This record gives sequence, C-alpha cells and structure tokens, in this order.
Amino acid sequence: NAGVTQTPKFQVLKTGQSMTLQCAQDMNHEYMSWYRQDPGMGLRLIHYSVGAGITDQGEVPNGYNVSRSTTEDFPLRLLSAAPSQTSVYFCASSYRGYNEKLFFGSGTQLSVL
Amino acid sequence: RKEVEQDPGPFNVPEGATVAFNCTYSNSASQSFFWYRQDCRKEPKLLMSVYSSGNEDGRFTAQLNRASQYISLLIRDSKLSDSATYLCAVNGKGGGADGLTFGKGTHLIIQP
Repeated sequence: NAGVTQTPKFQVLKTGQSMTLQCAQDMNHEYMSWYRQDPGMGLRLIHYSVGAGITDQGEVPNGYNVSRSTTEDFPLRLLSAAPSQTSVYFCASSYRGYNEKLFFGSGTQLSVL
Repeated sequence: RKEVEQDPGPFNVPEGATVAFNCTYSNSASQSFFWYRQDCRKEPKLLMSVYSSGNEDGRFTAQLNRASQYISLLIRDSKLSDSATYLCAVNGKGGGADGLTFGKGTHLIIQP
C-alpha cells in the first residue's frame, strides 16, 4: 500500500498565484486533514473532512479551500498565494477520526515569493 | 495558557540514559492523547497513544495526569536512533471533531 501520497514535494509560487496540493490515500480512511508546519509554531490544522462530501475548517483556514468528492482524495487549494503561506504542508488520514492513529503524507515544501 | 505546551529543548542525553518530558494541555474536556515522533524533514509518525491508566511499549512509557492536565513520555535505555522531535497531540476544542492540536515538539538528541 502506498498510504498517504502528497504531490508535489516542492513548489515555488509567486504572490497571487493559485495552486492545488494533492493528497490521496488508499487505505479507505474516512477522516482526512491538512496541517501546516512552521518553525516555532508547530503543526496547525487547516481543514479536515470526516467523509466524502463533508469538510470543515480547522484553526487556520483563511486563504485555503478544500473539497472531498471521493473517499481517496482531499486536495488543498491556495486561492491567491501570499508569502505568509510559505510552509510545509502535511496531509493526514485516519480510519474514522482524529482520535485514531493519523497517517501522514511526506509533506509539501511550499515557498511563496 | 496555550492549548498544548512542550519544552522545546533540546534535551541532550547520553546513550543508555533515561529521559522524560512532559506536555501540558489546557482543555480539561480533552479525551484523546498521543505522542508522535518526527525526524528531521520527515512527516510525524505515531509513537504511542496515551491511555488513562498509563501504557508501555518496550522502552517507552506514556502517562496521563488529568488532575494537572499533562501527559508524559519516558524513554529508558535511550538509543542513538531515538534522536528526533517528539510531538504531543491532544484532541481539540470541546472534544469535537476538530482534529488534533499538536505541541511544538521537544527536540531530543542522544549522544554517544
């Protein structure tokens, strides 16, 4: 099993550009989430989903959109990139919810110039 | 008090020693507690869940103190390979489906 797959691994954007970070899992997990990790700030929850068609905001949702059209995929869209969105982004999933073991993808290093 | 707090370290510990660190949390309604390990430039991986009665997995022991609202991780007979950042995670606001709140991590360096 591939587990949680994130693409791309690295991305450089200019301010104002938009892009989508891809996340896919092949473990039939209901729960998927996006975190960002910044030096000195730890992991912060951006958005999460408890199943296909259901999404909700986490701690830092501004500037990001998500959708969950299938159980497997949970893309994160940056609408108009800003330098403050420079970060490492992790997608994570678990079988039913956040209170179970979270499986993380390998991360996307995003730089916004 | 911040939601989840950890001493960032680094903790410099000789190989074979025992090391312990704590993580405090502010939400008394929290029900789920975890320790994750993160190697440099890698994704976090679950080390162990923390149960009310405490639990052990090999050289690792996790404890929960609800009265004082902290969890702890004890590592015995530390190995060089234990060098990593240890993140505690606690379920978030009101115990709902918000997701986990992570501490900023404690950096552990095991020295030969």
